[in-house]
Order: sequence, then C-alpha cells, then structure tokens
Amino acid sequence: LAKTTQPISMDSYEGQEVNITCSHNNIATNDYITWYQQFPSQGPRFIIQGYKTKVTNEVASLFIPADRKSSTLSLPRVSLSDTAVYYCLVGDLTTSGNTPLVFGKGTRLSVIA
Amino acid sequence: GAVVSQHPSRVICKSGTSVKIECRSLDFQATTMFWYRQFPKQSLMLMATSNEGSKATYEQGVEKDKFLINHASLTLSTLTVTSAHPEDSSFYICSASGLDIPEVGEQFFGPGTRLTVL
Repeated sequence: LAKTTQPISMDSYEGQEVNITCSHNNIATNDYITWYQQFPSQGPRFIIQGYKTKVTNEVASLFIPADRKSSTLSLPRVSLSDTAVYYCLVGDLTTSGNTPLVFGKGTRLSVIA
Repeated sequence: GAVVSQHPSRVICKSGTSVKIECRSLDFQATTMFWYRQFPKQSLMLMATSNEGSKATYEQGVEKDKFLINHASLTLSTLTVTSAHPEDSSFYICSASGLDIPEVGEQFFGPGTRLTVL
C-alpha cells in the first residue's frame, strides 16, 4: 500500500475554500485515491474517490495531477461543521474490499468563525 | 450507502471483566469485517481482519487470545475484550465490505464503541 503524507493540521475561517494536499509518491497503477472524514468519537465517513484528473460530488472536489503522485481535496466554503480530521488513503480498488484500509495521521482541520 | 452499526456505543467496565462489542451490517452481506482501535488524538490502527466463517487474521502485536473475534454470519462480527485493563480503554471501530454493494471495494464504517476500563 502506498504511503501518504498530509499536513498535520490546518486552520480556516468560515466561508473560505480549503485545499488539503496529500503526497503519495509510490502510488501504483491500479491504486485509487480515497478521502475520509472523521468527527470526534465517530467512525470515518467516505467523502470522495478518484483515479485521475478531477472528481466532484456534492461535498467536495478531488484534483489529481497527471503523474498521480499527489492529490488535493477541495472543500468549498467551509463551515464550522466541517471541523474534523481528513484522511487520504491510496489503494487498489479492486481488492480493497478484502484489504484493510491503512490510515495515516490525517489532517486536523479547524474552522474558525 | 450501506449502513454498519455497533453496539454498545459506549461501555464502562471494571478491570478484569470481559466486554463484547457487536458490529452489524444492516443492509448488505459483509463477507469481510475489519476491527480498528483508535487512541485519543491518534489515527485508526488495524487490529484484525475477519472473514465470514473463518478465523480472524490479527495484526502484529495484537493478542488474539485477548481480543477474540467471531464472524459467524454475513451480518454480524463480534469483538470480545477479555480480562480488560485500563490500557485497553480506547475507541473501537469496525468496518465492513462485501456482496451486493454498488460501490465495488468500498468499506463502510460503524459509529465506534468507546470502551473505558476502570
């Protein structure tokens, strides 16, 4: 499983766009990039997943450059309720159902009013 | 998305007692379930992987005789912390994946169980 590196923490004001970048230099050809969100005392929640270029859903966007060695999770106009830890994970989608997810340290996002 | 539940959500017990935590997949058949442990301000650490009908595979450093895992059906896995001690106090989270889930390979997490051993 490819190792990931993220900033330990980030602060943002409400209403701003937040971009969290994850480095995964050893990403393999079959690997997908998945982001999870975790609130205190709750299980992680799936946010978004992608393989290349850009993916957007109702919650976030995921930007992946051509070399796929990094990815950026973009949260538009954050609110206080977006304060959480965000984890970037990289793995082979076709086998991840039977392969445990390896969580790095994550990025602790604090949104300030 | 698929729903995974855990019971209880929090438990407080005395040192030396055993505690059972249940993990259920509510609307899909979970062929594989994972158990994680998370200490305060730290990331999730995998404890074991369990496949329905077979013995669990434990991560290095996790005592299989202390953390008993049973995955007897496609919708239920249990983690029993035997002879619990204060250092076992943690947040235990399960995740599940399996059949008839539209999102191939995706895992769904339970809400977690907060264990406090006095």
